[in-house]
Amino acid sequence: QKEVEQNSGPLSVPEGAIASLNCTYSDRGSQSFFWYRQYSGKSPELIMSIYSNGDKEDGRFTAQLNKASQYVSLLIRDSQPSDSATYLCAVPTGGGNKLTFGTGTQLKVEL
Amino acid sequence: DAGITQSPRYKITETGRQVTLMCHQTWSHSYMFWYRQDLGHGLRLIYYSAAADITDKGEVPDGYVVSRSKTENFPLTLESATRSQTSVYFCASSEQVMNTEAFFGQGTRLTVV
Repeated sequence: QKEVEQNSGPLSVPEGAIASLNCTYSDRGSQSFFWYRQYSGKSPELIMSIYSNGDKEDGRFTAQLNKASQYVSLLIRDSQPSDSATYLCAVPTGGGNKLTFGTGTQLKVEL
Repeated sequence: DAGITQSPRYKITETGRQVTLMCHQTWSHSYMFWYRQDLGHGLRLIYYSAAADITDKGEVPDGYVVSRSKTENFPLTLESATRSQTSVYFCASSEQVMNTEAFFGQGTRLTVV
């Protein structure tokens, strides 16, 4: 089992819809969880972090964490074409601030 | 400018040559990391460093060497480049606070021919 798993997609949603991106992790001791956005040919950019069970909202983005199910998700409301990117889930594993990344989910927002 | 910068942005080298990728950060972050990104594999950790003169292997360290004599610099050397090392390399850094986020440089696209 991979430490951090994501569906690779692509996930296609129409403009204005809600995009739902999912991530599961294997280490029950994980304390923090991060979502990065990566545009094609660019570097990963942090968009959300979450540390406690429940929801965390930041503008159109909501991160949801369920530690019992070892599941973290990212919701993007009112999706825009500019949201088209690959979204990476990252979890610190093994100490030393090392982040383990999922392989990413490609999101396409269609006009 | 403040931040984390990598050089060169693009590099083509021949099999068997030594090549060094540079990474410099101005935040005085304790931790620095080197990842490679390949289609189907995502980001994989090559080496990381918790502080100057402290380095450790990540998931895919074979064929790579790192050093960290100064907090702000973390060069990655491919001692004898192979075609399988063709990849996009990202340097990242994070604060000393445990389990915190990392910030990435622009990346270096390396092609080994």
